[in-house]
Amino acid sequence: QQQVKQSPQSLIVQKGGISIINCAYENTAFDYFPWYQQFPGKGPALLIAIRPDVSEKKEGRFTISFNKSAKQFSLHIMDSQPGDSATYFCAAEEGFQKLVFGTGTRLLVSP
Amino acid sequence: GAVVSQHPSWVICKSGTSVKIECRSLDFQATTMFWYRQFPKQSLMLMATSNEGSKATYEQGVEKDKFLINHASLTLSTLTVTSAHPEDSSFYICSARTGGYSPLHFGNGTRLTVT
Repeated sequence: QQQVKQSPQSLIVQKGGISIINCAYENTAFDYFPWYQQFPGKGPALLIAIRPDVSEKKEGRFTISFNKSAKQFSLHIMDSQPGDSATYFCAAEEGFQKLVFGTGTRLLVSP
Repeated sequence: GAVVSQHPSWVICKSGTSVKIECRSLDFQATTMFWYRQFPKQSLMLMATSNEGSKATYEQGVEKDKFLINHASLTLSTLTVTSAHPEDSSFYICSARTGGYSPLHFGNGTRLTVT
């Protein structure tokens, strides 16, 4: 019940395209859903986060869509750029106690 | 703000020796820090929660006698891998929050290689 399922495992998108990564969870007590971006050899960096009382949050080219009834949330990267090539992790947390990570998506944006 | 610094960024040690990794919150105080382990092309797995002034809380399956955690101050937590073996080779990452209900910020990790 503490798992967060993430898909796809890898993704190739052309420059300028939209990258979409999906996550699903079971624990309805989760109340915080961040996305992290990780480059090789570096720690994860917080990209954007959402609380379940909001269905969508946008920051620049990054948008989180949240579907509470389906227990799913997704990350959309608009106008994807080669510099966005990285591994993306969704995560979920209950009461800011313990972050549970998804399995990760390796994104490659081709020039 | 919210910078978490780890040292060293990489370390190579011989089997049987111990290695200490430091995690510092540079511009904030962190009563709680978290230690994660990441194998190549895999997700982050929480190893333990480090609490300032008290014993760490270890996740199931993590050997507390092998991975010693000390959180001696509000800005420093250390992870010591004792009697390291090649299977301990991994990427270790620490993280911390600026406050009770705030995002988790991560250090840049420490690549440990045990020969």
